[in-house]
Formats: sequence, structure tokens, C-alpha cells
Amino acid sequence: AQSVSQHNHHVILSEAASLELGCNYSYGGTVNLFWYVQYPGQHLQLLLKYFSGDPLVKGIKGFEAEFIKSKFSFNLRKPSVQWSDTAEYFCAVTAPMDSSYKLIFGSGTRLLVRP
Amino acid sequence: DAGVTQSPTHLIKTRGQQVTLRCSPKSGHDTVSWYQQALGQGPQFIFQYYEEEERQRGNFPDRFSGHQFPNYSSELNVNALLLGDSALYLCASSYTGTGHQEQFFGPGTRLTVL
Repeated sequence: AQSVSQHNHHVILSEAASLELGCNYSYGGTVNLFWYVQYPGQHLQLLLKYFSGDPLVKGIKGFEAEFIKSKFSFNLRKPSVQWSDTAEYFCAVTAPMDSSYKLIFGSGTRLLVRP
Repeated sequence: DAGVTQSPTHLIKTRGQQVTLRCSPKSGHDTVSWYQQALGQGPQFIFQYYEEEERQRGNFPDRFSGHQFPNYSSELNVNALLLGDSALYLCASSYTGTGHQEQFFGPGTRLTVL
């Protein structure tokens, strides 16, 4: 069965620090990969997605992620975080061969950015 | 253009009761998926509806059932509520024509079972 692991459950950074959140998935076939963000009091929003092509994908608000197939990883990065990036971040996968495209989520990483 | 809407926002029920949650998809979307997000966890897939039929189901008991209407809106029903059903219930919509490349989420319904 597919699963997603996010190893950092809580991360605390100061503004301007660099961010990298880990995400690993287990699935032998082709996957689509996503990062979603949930700001306090708001609903889940898509940050970025990878389906194919360039393994380095850029999303909104300066976020990017790199797909490393050999490591089954899709880590999220941002060179310089802002206080407004305080949120919970979820990595998710779907299997294109699965006609429902159900999202399998990791348990999330809570990011706190101190001003 | 309205996004995904859900009602009610919050709900408090007691054990053994039944509850119905509602979802209206984003305009142009034809598929609705439901997820359960327990406190401190990522969302878990419950089931998905397309063309008024359940297309796929996650690892949830039969107490969880749903329906999709001709206008693509959907309901999630939970019978015989348990304390463990307390969670945020999320609805997501997508469009089959784009291969569900993005699922748009609603704000969720916070269900508390006492």
C-alpha cells in the first residue's frame, strides 16, 4: 500500500532562515506528488505539484521541491522563510494508474517562523 | 467563482447519533472526494464520487456512506457515531477532464462527538 512519511513533525525557524521539509513515499509505480499548506484558520491549499519532466518544480510564494526518484523523496525548500509561512505543510501522492486519484497524505509538519 | 463550500462549519453530536455533512464542488468540477482529518494527522481518504456513484473507497467502515447529486454536490453520512469519529471532515473537488491534476479543498466541517 502507498504511504507517505514526513519525518519533521515540528520545525521552528527564525525569519530569513532556509527551510527544507522532508517527504518520502513508498510506492513502486509512477506517482504524482504534491505539497499542500494549511495556514492557521484556512483550508488546504496547493503549494506545488509534480507529474513529470523537470524534477525541480517551483510553486507559489517562493517554494520549490525536488523529486528524487531513486530516493523516493520530494522535499520542500524555501531559501528564506517569512513569518507568514507559519503553517502546517502536507506532502501527498497519487498514483496515476488509480482512476480515482485519491490523495495519500503524510502526517504533516508544523512550521513556526519567529519574527 | 465560488470555491468548494461545506456545511455546516461545526457540529456537535452524541454517541450513537447520525450526521450528514454537505459539500458543493468548485464550478466546473464533476468529482467529489471526502477526507477525514483527525487532530494532529494528515487527511485520510474516505471515498470519492463521480457520476453519482462511489468510485473508490478508503479503509472506513460501512457506517460512512455518501451520495452525489446530479448537480455534483455531495453528502457524507455517518451512522452510529463513535467518539473516534471526532475530526475535521474535508471535501475536495476535481475535474475528470484534467485527470484530477488538482483537488481543491473546502474549509471543512469540524465534527465533535460527545
